Amino acid sequence: DGGITQSPKYLFRKEGQNVTLSCEQNLNHDAMYWYRQDPGQGLRLIYYSQIVNDFQKGDIAEGYSVSREKKESFPLTVTSAQKNPTAFYLCASSIRGYVYTFGSGTRLTVV
Amino acid sequence: GQNIDQPTEMTATEGAIVQINCTYQTSGFNGLFWYQQHAGEAPTFLSYNVLDGLEEKGRFSSFLSRSKGYSYLLLKELQMKDSASYLCARAGNYGQNFVFGPGTRLSVLP
Repeated sequence: DGGITQSPKYLFRKEGQNVTLSCEQNLNHDAMYWYRQDPGQGLRLIYYSQIVNDFQKGDIAEGYSVSREKKESFPLTVTSAQKNPTAFYLCASSIRGYVYTFGSGTRLTVV
Repeated sequence: GQNIDQPTEMTATEGAIVQINCTYQTSGFNGLFWYQQHAGEAPTFLSYNVLDGLEEKGRFSSFLSRSKGYSYLLLKELQMKDSASYLCARAGNYGQNFVFGPGTRLSVLP
């Protein structure tokens, strides 16, 4: 079955540490997205990519970085510059620019 | 701006009908989506409206008025499992991204 796989499901980060969240899709979608969700709030766009080797900043890109070397993969790195990284991170992919499918999410906690 | 407004919380009784409203900026509009999100899980797609009118899909229906920048999600015969957050999302012109509303947390009581 086609879908989006995010890993790990839970991730703990120490102060000053970089961590990378994985997102893989086998839907053959061109566009991929990373969103952040804080408790009781909506989704905020971190980065998006419409084609391989190209990506754009979203509304809250500071402290994050991404790469898009393959169509199927869009990893997100949460750097030490992100001062408040504890949140639920969702990866999504779409065709024709419409967000249709989400991964199951990664819950990141700073310890 | 691309503000999207939804009520923060709603409460309804099992078996009842509830309407969740969403208002949005009309410029560059290219479709309105509704998603359901249970606590700690990813959003799942419910409906998509691009033309005015009502789209019915089982117990769920979604309505759109493009001129008014207004949509609603109608849930009939409420069940306990319908307790979740409901997100509306506005699609812009091709190449632009979705903008999600803050979500409406629905609690269904017995």
